[in-house]
Amino acid sequence: EAGVVQSPRYKIIEKKQPVAFWCNPISGHNTLYWYLQNLGQGPELLIRYENEEAVDDSQLPKDRFSAERLKGVDSTLKIQPAELGDSAVYLCASSLGIYNEQFFGPGTRLTVL
Amino acid sequence: AQSVTQLGSHVSVSEGALVLLRCNYSSSVPPYLFWYVQYPNQGLQLLLKYTSAATLVKGINGFEAEFKKSETSFHLTKPSAHMSDAAEYFCAVGPNFGNEKLTFGTGTRLTIIP
Repeated sequence: EAGVVQSPRYKIIEKKQPVAFWCNPISGHNTLYWYLQNLGQGPELLIRYENEEAVDDSQLPKDRFSAERLKGVDSTLKIQPAELGDSAVYLCASSLGIYNEQFFGPGTRLTVL
Repeated sequence: AQSVTQLGSHVSVSEGALVLLRCNYSSSVPPYLFWYVQYPNQGLQLLLKYTSAATLVKGINGFEAEFKKSETSFHLTKPSAHMSDAAEYFCAVGPNFGNEKLTFGTGTRLTIIP
């Protein structure tokens, strides 16, 4: 069974440019998460979806970050415009439900120059 | 509110020696506790989890952890380190009923000395 797929794996952009990350969760997983992992830190939740609905986006910087999960499957996380401090790894995870094991993708490493 | 503290951002052990990675938690509800491993340029993989059953939890790759409520600890151990154990290890708390987030510690980088 395929795991959580993320693309791209690496992205280098200049500040003020837009960037988007894509995530395809494990088939049948209704819950999808986006995490931010700064260097030397543990992942921090940005947003959680239950099917198409964003049920916890309290940590998402809404002035520049946006996310969507159309049709309750794939999800896209966007940053516009990117800032130097956004350089980090963006992890996607999915689970059958909120109290089930979370499976993580390999992440997208973003470098903002 | 919940949090985890991992003591030691870097731990080095010799191949074949005991591995001990420390984790202390804080939780306002009975905690669910997890250990994840992250290899370079990969996502996190679940090693083991405690969900209020047996206090000694066995996981993959020979790792185990013991939940000690009196010490609010959930330390990770492995009797004999292998070179392939070199990775970053994260302790996490939640989600549990009444708490919907998985909160991670800052991680411990394990180095194995040949």
